[in-house]
Amino acid sequence: NAGVTQTPKFQVLKTGQSMTLQCAQDMNHEYMSWYRQDPGMGLRLIHYSVGAGITDQGEVPNGYNVSRSTTEDFPLRLLSAAPSQTSVYFCASRETGISNEKLFFGSGTQLSVL
Amino acid sequence: AQTVTQSQPEMSVQEAETVTLSCTYDTSESNYYLFWYKQPPSRQMILVIRQEAYKQQNATENRFSVNFQKAAKSFSLKISDSQLGDTAMYFCAFIPMYSGGGADGLTFGKGTHLIIQP
Repeated sequence: NAGVTQTPKFQVLKTGQSMTLQCAQDMNHEYMSWYRQDPGMGLRLIHYSVGAGITDQGEVPNGYNVSRSTTEDFPLRLLSAAPSQTSVYFCASRETGISNEKLFFGSGTQLSVL
Repeated sequence: AQTVTQSQPEMSVQEAETVTLSCTYDTSESNYYLFWYKQPPSRQMILVIRQEAYKQQNATENRFSVNFQKAAKSFSLKISDSQLGDTAMYFCAFIPMYSGGGADGLTFGKGTHLIIQP
């Protein structure tokens, strides 16, 4: 059972470049989300999805795009990278249920935008 | 919208001591979950403990326990017999029990960096 698989682990971009962070889960969870982690800021929600074909914005969505064509995959796209997007990114899937509620996190992506 | 506040940016204790990390939150929801997540230097996010708001009994997991005060909106984490491997960032987090109509993710505090000294 792989859980949440997130790639790449590290990435360096130049300002203006685009890239996609991949996220896949094998637990058949409907809920998936993307967070960014910045020093002193905790984790902040970028975008989330409650099922295939359904996505919505979180707290800090600007500059990011998502889609959810399957239950398993939830990629995050940076269309034109900016230095302000230098951060650590986490994908998570959510197991729901009265006694089971928890988030499973990927291993994170360290992104630097020069 | 929910907010989660961790007022201790950093704490340091000696190995084997007991340490308490503070967390307060603000919400208009009556049913929700609270979590403590641990993030060691490996960057991995590890669930330490979960509390359901409808439960009066405080959650415990081995050396980890919480003091959940719903009326005061307080959710502190106590680590007993602290070990070197407990050194990590600790995040308090909140999620409504019934999501939908709003952001469907955890709201995190800014974290407490806990250092266990040998």
